[in-house]
Amino acid sequence: AQKITQTQPGMFVQEKEAVTLDCTYDTSDPSYGLFWYKQPSSGEMIFLIYQGSYDQQNATEGRYSLNFQKARKSANLVISASQLGDSAMYFCAMRELDRGSTLGRLYFGRGTQLTVWP
Amino acid sequence: DVKVTQSSRYLVKRTGEKVFLECVQDMDHENMFWYRQDPGLGLRLIYFSYDVKMKEKGDIPEGYSVSREKKERFSLILESASTNQTSMYLCASSPRLQREGLHYEQYFGPGTRLTVT
Repeated sequence: AQKITQTQPGMFVQEKEAVTLDCTYDTSDPSYGLFWYKQPSSGEMIFLIYQGSYDQQNATEGRYSLNFQKARKSANLVISASQLGDSAMYFCAMRELDRGSTLGRLYFGRGTQLTVWP
Repeated sequence: DVKVTQSSRYLVKRTGEKVFLECVQDMDHENMFWYRQDPGLGLRLIYFSYDVKMKEKGDIPEGYSVSREKKERFSLILESASTNQTSMYLCASSPRLQREGLHYEQYFGPGTRLTVT
């Protein structure tokens, strides 16, 4: 079973509007972390935002916020006031606290291609 | 400033060639990773290393090997390149996971777009 599911291969939003990118996850570990990365067409992976499983509040970083619904196992990324430069691929990822390892590997979803139009 | 570098941005190789992709990080991270990225499939983990000379298979290791002789350098080797290994390859690093370290991000290199003809 996939640990991270992103069901939207592509999304379109008009400039200055808000957009939500969906992410659901699957884990039985009570301790985990959720990440969102942005990948512009140039290819580099840019870390956007992090949410810990024990965090009481939804994470926010500037125009990015994470709508964390633990019971539903969802961690949707909300981008407010979209800009043309937000056009990119967005990946959701999860890290579990594997007590047998110091590795902390990330599990990635398949990504959502966001296009912002003027 | 945190940095992960990869030896090439673009690479074109012929079928059957031995290919080396190099990755260097300057953050003294213990963990290093190699991913491949294909449209519609996201990032898939090929191999990872948690220490010098230590390596473990990821989810899709077939056709690849790795080498980590120094802490800062992690190499991906395609022993005999095939056309189905045409892809974007991303290297990443991260510090050792501590109990309170779930929040550590992985730092990525710029990627190598490999074409095998």
